Amino acid sequence: AQSVTQLDSHVSVSEGTPVLLRCNYSSSYSPSLFWYVQHPNKGLQLLLKYTSAATLVKGINGFEAEFKKSETSFHLTKPSAHMSDAAEYFCVVTRAMNYGGSQGNLIFGKGTKLSVKP
Amino acid sequence: KAGVTQTPRYLIKTRGQQVTLSCSPISGHRSVSWYQQTPGQGLQFLFEYFSETQRNKGNFPGRFSGRQFSNSRSEMNVSTLELGDSALYLCASSSPASGRDNEQFFGPGTRLTVL
Repeated sequence: AQSVTQLDSHVSVSEGTPVLLRCNYSSSYSPSLFWYVQHPNKGLQLLLKYTSAATLVKGINGFEAEFKKSETSFHLTKPSAHMSDAAEYFCVVTRAMNYGGSQGNLIFGKGTKLSVKP
Repeated sequence: KAGVTQTPRYLIKTRGQQVTLSCSPISGHRSVSWYQQTPGQGLQFLFEYFSETQRNKGNFPGRFSGRQFSNSRSEMNVSTLELGDSALYLCASSSPASGRDNEQFFGPGTRLTVL
């Protein structure tokens, strides 16, 4: 079975300061891990993904995440927050599927709302 | 390349009615998944279709159903609506070549309000 826990429901930072959004996962299989962002009244946009290649994954808009198997963590970071980063962020785990093109189902964390103060 | 489109964007229904939501995947994508997003339960997987066949199903009652057409467009149907069905329904598609990647592309969602 798989699960994902986002350790903070709300994070507030000042513009220009670092961002850290924490995520721990549990998976019986070799996992694929993702971070998605959702701006108000919008769909979900993929920020970055880990699929067993490099453990440090770089995504869009300056975000990156490090897969740490020993800690079962996949924390999302950004060196310097921008006002446009204010949104809700979801950590996602899924079983890596290799058959028939099926994408499997994504298991979402509860989300972390990021606020950015001017 | 056009993204995933969902229609309608907003819908208001009353209890007991039924509703049909539509999703058009990215051209060439054959997998379509549906998710329900509510403030209380977060994002939950409903079902996944691939080549007109349901491949996976989440833990939702039988009132929730779906189908996929030969052009990969998908519909989901909710019968006998309940107040608790009020949610944002998100559709996602992916390419059959994604394999281990499982990257899914999401549409903007349909906001369903049940009165």
